[in-house]
Amino acid sequence: DTEVTQTPKHLVMGMTNKKSLKCEQHMGHRAMYWYKQKAKKPPELMFVYSYEKLSINESVPSRFSPECPNSSLLNLHLHALQPEDSALYLCASSQSYQRGSVNSYEQYFGPGTRLTVT
Amino acid sequence: GIQVEQSPPDLILQEGANSTLRCNFSDSVNNLQWFHQNPWGQLINLFYIPSGTKQNGRLSATTVATERYSLLYISSSQTTDSGVYFCAVEMNRDDKIIFGKGTRLHILP
Repeated sequence: DTEVTQTPKHLVMGMTNKKSLKCEQHMGHRAMYWYKQKAKKPPELMFVYSYEKLSINESVPSRFSPECPNSSLLNLHLHALQPEDSALYLCASSQSYQRGSVNSYEQYFGPGTRLTVT
Repeated sequence: GIQVEQSPPDLILQEGANSTLRCNFSDSVNNLQWFHQNPWGQLINLFYIPSGTKQNGRLSATTVATERYSLLYISSSQTTDSGVYFCAVEMNRDDKIIFGKGTRLHILP
């Protein structure tokens, strides 16, 4: 099973709302990732969790708050977003990730959540 | 800065044609992966290929790490091959994971 699932598929939220995106994998992977992808652009890395600890934060604004409750689950909490945050949010997982090491990091992506901020 | 460049940016081909997509990177890499993003946004793994050559059906890939490039070959194209092809690398110097801008492929029936 190489499936990564994401919910919801679509989300429309106002700038004052609080919402969460959810990602789940059951491949036994110990690294999980959040990416943001704007239209006609490549994905951009936001966060990496390794063994349930935040390993990388690519200078993401604090209105995006990641959480990794366990090795299978990854959440992205959203608060006070701006219209320019509208994008496709992609979750990925890999067997492991350790900064500073040569990683075997073949990544598997979920289908994404298409977020619109009004 | 570190760069990942893909070429060509756009490619329109007739069904049945062959194509070669290229990914150049400006620094040594730990890992390299090729993805196909379908029209619904799903990123599909094609190859994990930090070096060497791999084949999977009509697709094959070659990475020459010492010369800092990777090639993706698609033979006998089908309309379902349409979409955007990305290469993604993990840079050796700073562990950054960077996607190229992609090649947008359109296969005509």
